[in-house]
Amino acid sequence: DTEVTQTPKHLVMGMTNKKSLKCEQHMGHRAMYWYKQKAKKPPELMFVYSYEKLSINESVPSRFSPECPNSSLLNLHLHALQPEDSALYLCASSPPRGVNTEAFFGQGTRLTVV
Amino acid sequence: GIQVEQSPPDLILQEGANSTLRCNFSDSVNNLQWFHQNPWGQLINLFYIPSGTKQNGRLSATTVATERYSLLYISSSQTTDSGVYFCAANNDMRFGAGTRLTVKP
Repeated sequence: DTEVTQTPKHLVMGMTNKKSLKCEQHMGHRAMYWYKQKAKKPPELMFVYSYEKLSINESVPSRFSPECPNSSLLNLHLHALQPEDSALYLCASSPPRGVNTEAFFGQGTRLTVV
Repeated sequence: GIQVEQSPPDLILQEGANSTLRCNFSDSVNNLQWFHQNPWGQLINLFYIPSGTKQNGRLSATTVATERYSLLYISSSQTTDSGVYFCAANNDMRFGAGTRLTVKP
């Protein structure tokens, strides 16, 4: 099973709302990632968790707050977003460094901020 | 961090033609992957190939780590091959800008 599950698939939120994106994997991967992808652009790395600890934060605004409560689950909490934050948000997971580190992606959450 | 460059940015082919997509990277890699992004945004794994050559049906890939590039070959292209092809490098999965492939019937 190489499945990474993201929910919800679509989300429309107002600029004053608080919402969360969820990502789940059961492959035993200990690295998990959040990416943001705008139309006709490549995925841009936002955050990396390694063994449930935040290891990379690509200077992402604080209105995006990641959380990794356990080795299977990754959340992205959203608060006070702007319309320019509308994008496809992708989650990925991979085995830890030092072994076959092939990453697998979820189907993404398409976010619209109104 | 590592820089990843892909070429060409756009490629238009007739069905049945062959193509080569290139990925250059600025430093040594311990992970190099090729993906195909479908129209719904799903990134589909094509190859995990930090070095060497692999084949899967009409697709094959070669990474020459010492010269810092990887190639994706598509033979006998089909309209369903259309989409964007990305390479991504290293454990923090830095993406190139992609190659947008259009295969015409």
